[in-house]
Amino acid sequence: DAKTTQPPSMDCAEGRAANLPCNHSTISGNEYVYWYRQIHSQGPQYIIHGLKNNETNEMASLIITEDRKSSTLILPHATLRDTAVYYCIVRVNNNAGNMLTFGGGTRLMVKP
Amino acid sequence: KAGVTQTPRYLIKTRGQQVTLSCSPISGHRSVSWYQQTPGQGLQFLFEYFSETQRNKGNFPGRFSGRQFSNSRSEMNVSTLELGDSALYLCASSYYPGANVLTFGAGSRLTVL
Repeated sequence: DAKTTQPPSMDCAEGRAANLPCNHSTISGNEYVYWYRQIHSQGPQYIIHGLKNNETNEMASLIITEDRKSSTLILPHATLRDTAVYYCIVRVNNNAGNMLTFGGGTRLMVKP
Repeated sequence: KAGVTQTPRYLIKTRGQQVTLSCSPISGHRSVSWYQQTPGQGLQFLFEYFSETQRNKGNFPGRFSGRQFSNSRSEMNVSTLELGDSALYLCASSYYPGANVLTFGAGSRLTVL
């Protein structure tokens, strides 16, 4: 699976959009981009995933560049409960298994 | 529906002892994977089970082992504990290997003294 690069930390004001970048310049054509987050003392939580089209669900939006070498997770109206470590992961989406390679993630601090 | 349940949530062991951790997946989920989280190494994949068979294994010594039962519940065992085994052990389940969404439990925090 391709490696990802994320900034170690970011701040965001409560109520504003949080834009979390991820670089995955070595991504392969059959690898998807996944985002998980981990709130303190809890297990990681799935947020969203995509291949090449932008995706949106009730939690967030995922914007993937046309060359697929980077992506941005957008939390449209960040709340204090969104304070967490956000992990960007790329992996092949087949039945090979559930081995996820987690990097260091981005620690997002939402401030009042 | 109930989430992924891990027991015990906290435990303390001494070096040389062994420990068994349990994971009950979401009902209907048949794939269970285990991860170790430490401050130094982050989240690392341990192994994955599906239909009572180990499908994948991470880069961990043989002291780390696991198994899955016919009801999809899984256990992992660490023998001859070392100080470096102190970690949060996380279990994740999904309907099948390679599913889009993994649901993680809250973890079992192991402290080795």
